[in-house]
Amino acid sequence: AQSVSQHNHHVILSEAASLELGCNYSYGGTVNLFWYVQYPGQHLQLLLKYFSGDPLVKGIKGFEAEFIKSKFSFNLRKPSVQWSDTAEYFCAVMRQSGGGADGLTFGKGTHLIIQP
Amino acid sequence: DAGVIQSPRHEVTEMGQEVTLRCKPISGHDYLFWYRQTMMRGLELLIYFNNNVPIDDSGMPEDRFSAKMPNASFSTLKIQPSEPRDSAVYFCASENAGQETQYFGPGTRLLVL
Repeated sequence: AQSVSQHNHHVILSEAASLELGCNYSYGGTVNLFWYVQYPGQHLQLLLKYFSGDPLVKGIKGFEAEFIKSKFSFNLRKPSVQWSDTAEYFCAVMRQSGGGADGLTFGKGTHLIIQP
Repeated sequence: DAGVIQSPRHEVTEMGQEVTLRCKPISGHDYLFWYRQTMMRGLELLIYFNNNVPIDDSGMPEDRFSAKMPNASFSTLKIQPSEPRDSAVYFCASENAGQETQYFGPGTRLLVL
């Protein structure tokens, strides 16, 4: 079975600081990788995803993530955060299963607080 | 599109009562997923359906939990009898095969006293 580890449970940054949230996964096969965000009081929204090709993927709101296969990592980055980025961030993996969908395995989440 | 719709948004019940959570997926989506979010265990997959057929229910915690999808536009997750440790936020998500992206509903916050 696959598993996902997010390195930091809580991160506090000032506005305009750079952000990097770590994510490592464990699975013997090929996976699709996702970052979801949950703003206070709202539902989960997809930030970005990686299936194949260029390991550096760009998502919404200036976020990007890099897949490093040798390290089983998919870290999320943003060069300059804003107060509105305060949210819970979840890394997730889905095993590739020959064309069909599958359930997501989530990390425990990182609670990001941006101080004005 | 209205997105994934879940009801109720909040449910407070007493231990031993039956609880039914409802989900309407996005029209045209052929996959439906139920997840549970708790502080201790994070987000966990409970069960998912493809074309109304349960594919993987290995995440369902015990026999008190059951899920059905009688048609393409409706699914229920039932807990009978409910226990305080079932208190959590339950999310429903749907996906269109080929899009490879799950869209989440707003969740149902369940409190079992």
